[in-house]
Amino acid sequence: NAGVTQTPKFRVLKTGQSMTLLCAQDMNHEYMYWYRQDPGMGLRLIHYSVGEGTTAKGEVPDGYNVSRLKKQNFLLGLESAAPSQTSVYFCASRDSSARKNIQYFGAGTRLSVL
Amino acid sequence: DAKTTQPTSMDCAEGRAANLPCNHSTISGNEYVYWYRQIHSQGPQYIIHGLKNNETNEMASLIITEDRKSSTLILPHATLRDTAVYYCIERRASKIIFGSGTRLSIRP
Repeated sequence: NAGVTQTPKFRVLKTGQSMTLLCAQDMNHEYMYWYRQDPGMGLRLIHYSVGEGTTAKGEVPDGYNVSRLKKQNFLLGLESAAPSQTSVYFCASRDSSARKNIQYFGAGTRLSVL
Repeated sequence: DAKTTQPTSMDCAEGRAANLPCNHSTISGNEYVYWYRQIHSQGPQYIIHGLKNNETNEMASLIITEDRKSSTLILPHATLRDTAVYYCIERRASKIIFGSGTRLSIRP
């Protein structure tokens, strides 16, 4: 059981380049999330999705776009990367049950923008 | 916005109980308190959650005060592998909001 898988694990971009981070979960979870974590700080929510075809903004959505075309996948896009987007990106998913808001996290994607 | 507050860092001797406090004085009556931890650079890992009653599982115990304004996570017999950043988190609607957490160091 893979859980939450993030691709790629590492990436280096030049300013202005674009890329897409892929998150895949095999737990049939409704909800999926993208966070970023800067050195010495907690996680900040970028975007999230409560179901296939739906997305919503989190705390720090600017500069990012997301899509949830399939229930198991949640894509995070950077259209024009900036050095301020250098960070570690974590994806998470959870079941829609109101009683158990337990999020399962991927291993992270380490992104450097030069 | 309501948020949780935790000590920046703590340490504990190996084999002893580690008690991590959290204040959530503005939590609403139907919101759960969640605890996660993050070991080194890994993704956060769920530990435990609770609403009003104390909770225990194979990893830890959670003590919530009667007024629900604070809670304590207890690791009963800390090991070196428990060195991590521990996050006390409140849930808001479909989101959970992370603060800065407590960096717990376990000394041999």
